[in-house]
Amino acid sequence: QQQVKQSPQSLIVQKGGIPIINCAYENTAFDYFPWYQQFPGKGPALLIAIRPDVSEKKEGRFTISFNKSAKQFSLHIMDSQPGDSATYFCAAAGGSQGNLIFGKGTKLSVKP
Amino acid sequence: GAVVSQHPSRVICKSGTSVKIECRSLDFQATTMFWYRQFPKQSLMLMATSNEGSKATYEQGVEKDKFLINHASLTLSTLTVTSAHPEDSSFYICSATRQGWYGYTFGSGTRLTVV
Repeated sequence: QQQVKQSPQSLIVQKGGIPIINCAYENTAFDYFPWYQQFPGKGPALLIAIRPDVSEKKEGRFTISFNKSAKQFSLHIMDSQPGDSATYFCAAAGGSQGNLIFGKGTKLSVKP
Repeated sequence: GAVVSQHPSRVICKSGTSVKIECRSLDFQATTMFWYRQFPKQSLMLMATSNEGSKATYEQGVEKDKFLINHASLTLSTLTVTSAHPEDSSFYICSATRQGWYGYTFGSGTRLTVV
């Protein structure tokens, strides 16, 4: 119930493509769903986050789609660039200050 | 805003010695801090949760006598790896949040190598 399942494990796209990373959760108490970007040797950096009261949120080239009934959420990266090559983690938490539960990560490579 | 500073970024220590890692919230009061461990090409594994002024809550399988966590103020938490061994070599990352706030800020991580 505490798991967050993330797919795919790795993803290769051409520059300008739109990679999509998917996550699914079981625990209906989760109410905060962030996506993090991590470069090698660095800590995760928050990209974008969503609460369950909206179905979509867009910030720059990053969009979260959220399906509460299916308990799924996804990250879309528009006009991807080689600089977006990194590992992306979805996560979920329940309540303010609750533990973040991370997905296993997706390694994205954007080819020039 | 919401910056977390983690030091050192890299440390090499001899087997049997202890190492302290600091995590500071620079511009907010962190009522809760989290410590994670990350192995190469893997996800972040939560080690413990600490609330200011309280004892840390450790996840199952994490040795609390080996990984000492102190959260003595609203801006500082420390993780001390005691009697370090090569298998403790890993990437350690802290995170902080505050009461009533939906958001978690991560430090830049500490690469610990025990030789």
